Amino acid sequence: KNEVEQSPQNLTAQEGEFITINCSYSVGISALHWLQQHPGGGIVSLFMLSSGKKKHGRLIATINIQEKHSSLHITASHPRDSAVYICAVTIRGGGADGLTFGKGTHLIIQP
Amino acid sequence: DTEVTQTPKHLVMGMTNKKSLKCEQHMGHRAMYWYKQKAKKPPELMFVYSYEKLSINESVPSRFSPECPNSSLLNLHLHALQPEDSALYLCASSQVSAGGVGYTFGSGTRLTVV
Repeated sequence: KNEVEQSPQNLTAQEGEFITINCSYSVGISALHWLQQHPGGGIVSLFMLSSGKKKHGRLIATINIQEKHSSLHITASHPRDSAVYICAVTIRGGGADGLTFGKGTHLIIQP
Repeated sequence: DTEVTQTPKHLVMGMTNKKSLKCEQHMGHRAMYWYKQKAKKPPELMFVYSYEKLSINESVPSRFSPECPNSSLLNLHLHALQPEDSALYLCASSQVSAGGVGYTFGSGTRLTVV
């Protein structure tokens, strides 16, 4: 069983729709990261969460530590939001931690 | 400067070649990482440096040799690679803190081994 599970794996939506991507993890974590990767490109860090909720522009990320679950929401989605969204966690605790990744959600926003 | 810069962006090398990948950051991050990413897969952790010392090696074959000459620079030396080592190699940096504050990725080096 993967330590980080994401759903859905693929999501196609129309421009303007409200998008939700879910992430569940099975281990104790120091933090959870939401990342974005465009095709053939590098990775951009969107959020780092250890509790509660964060908002940046049209993106909102929440985490429930007790339920070991996080969600990434995109409001008023736009074709430029099309990318792979990856949930990742740090599980070793303290110091410099490598990330353990989910398999990603491939999001396509159609005009 | 809020970037992690990787060079080269693309590299084609033969199985007998020796080459190096370079990663540089000037954000004052004292943790630096190498990841390997195959097509349509999530990245896999290879190495972690903390305060210029190797702290994690995820059982990576010795044909990959990391080096951290100073707090801003991270190299990955490649020798006698196999075609299956072809992948996107990503460098990242962060603060040395629980969870990895300020995690920043480079745009990667796309490596092809022929």
